[in-house]
Formats: sequence, C-alpha cells, structure tokens
Amino acid sequence: EPEVTQTPSHQVTQMGQEVILRCVPISNHLYFYWYRQILGQKVEFLVSFYNNEISEKSEIFDDQFSVERPDGSNFTLKIRSTKLEDSAMYFCASTRTPPNSPLHFGNGTRLTVT
Amino acid sequence: KQEVTQIPAALSVPEGENLVLNCSFTDSAIYNLQWFRQDPGKGLTSLLLIQSSQREQTSGRLNASLDKSSGRSTLYIAASQPGDSATYLCAAPSGSARQLTFGSGTQLTVLP
Repeated sequence: EPEVTQTPSHQVTQMGQEVILRCVPISNHLYFYWYRQILGQKVEFLVSFYNNEISEKSEIFDDQFSVERPDGSNFTLKIRSTKLEDSAMYFCASTRTPPNSPLHFGNGTRLTVT
Repeated sequence: KQEVTQIPAALSVPEGENLVLNCSFTDSAIYNLQWFRQDPGKGLTSLLLIQSSQREQTSGRLNASLDKSSGRSTLYIAASQPGDSATYLCAAPSGSARQLTFGSGTQLTVLP
C-alpha cells in the first residue's frame, strides 16, 4: 500500500539554524499538509498546499516557515531560524480529494532544537 | 473555531473486552470526521473516515458512529487485543475541509 515517507526521522539542530524537512506524499494525491505535535500536546495544523500554493495556514505558520514542492514528488517544510519552541514531531500528510478521502500521514520527523 | 475533546484520556482493559472511545466536537457543520491510531513515536494511521451523510462506518473489529446534531462520535472496538494498545485520536475539520482539529486522544492499553 502506498505511503507518505518523511526524511530524516530525527534531526538535531542548533537554535538559529535553518532546517528543511522532507516529505514524499502518495503519488496520486493532490493536497499536502504539515502538522506538528509538541511532546505531550495535541497534533496541530500548520499549513495546507494545493496546486503549488498555500491554501490555508495557521497562526503558528509565521514568516519563519515556508513550504515548497520543488519537483513532482517532494514536499518540503523549511524553518528559517529555529527556536527552542520549534522542537516537536513534524508530520507530513496528503490526501486525494478532501473531504471525501482520508488524510494519510507519514511517520514524522522529530526535530530537536538545542 | 472547532474544538475536539476525547474521553477518557486513558483506558486499560483486559483482552477480549468490547470498549467505546468518545469524541465530541463543538462545530457540527462538518463534512466528515476521522479516527486515527498513533503508536508511540510513530505517525498517525487512518482507521475510519465517516462522511457527514453517514451515521456509521465499519472496518473489521472497529465501528465508528457520528451524530452531528449532538456533536459526538464514538469508536467501538470489539474483542480487544493487546495489539490494539495505542493512542486513538479523533479529528474534525475546522473552517474548511482542508484543516483538521485533533483531540488529545485516548491512550488504550489492552492487557493480555
């Protein structure tokens, strides 16, 4: 069964550094998302992406964050200057046709900012 | 703004029991509701997606119901097994259909 893949599984970075989290959504999906989960807290929506542009973004997704689909398969989340509070599990997700199809998540990237 | 609440926060049952997990949401103008399973340190696995026009959805030993008017959904697990131990999350759309709001989850432990 096709799945969403994310790399790396764990990334450690120093405060102020830029990080890029990578995702390969399911190939015939059209809508892409990033969510995050701070340890012990709820899963939170960050951003949705369709037709090569952002559809929606949350208050969390400020100017330090950006997303890109650089080619036909990858979907990336960039954090320009990481802060300690960016430490979290970041999940990529995709779906074919919301709201009629389920959201499929990757296994996540655990980001640790020191 | 959508808010999703799940009770109980944790549940421990002996193997073989049938159990019910509860989810409530504040904005009933939803297209659907989705249940996920999360294993420790892992991603979310989609279990069931119930459309707003449906009242129930079944997959194997899992059955999810949706009552939009009361803002509630339940996940019923029949004949629980130790392999069912995980955190179960419910998520409802917020605003448009593209953004999900998650509950805090129910951490289920099934004892052999």
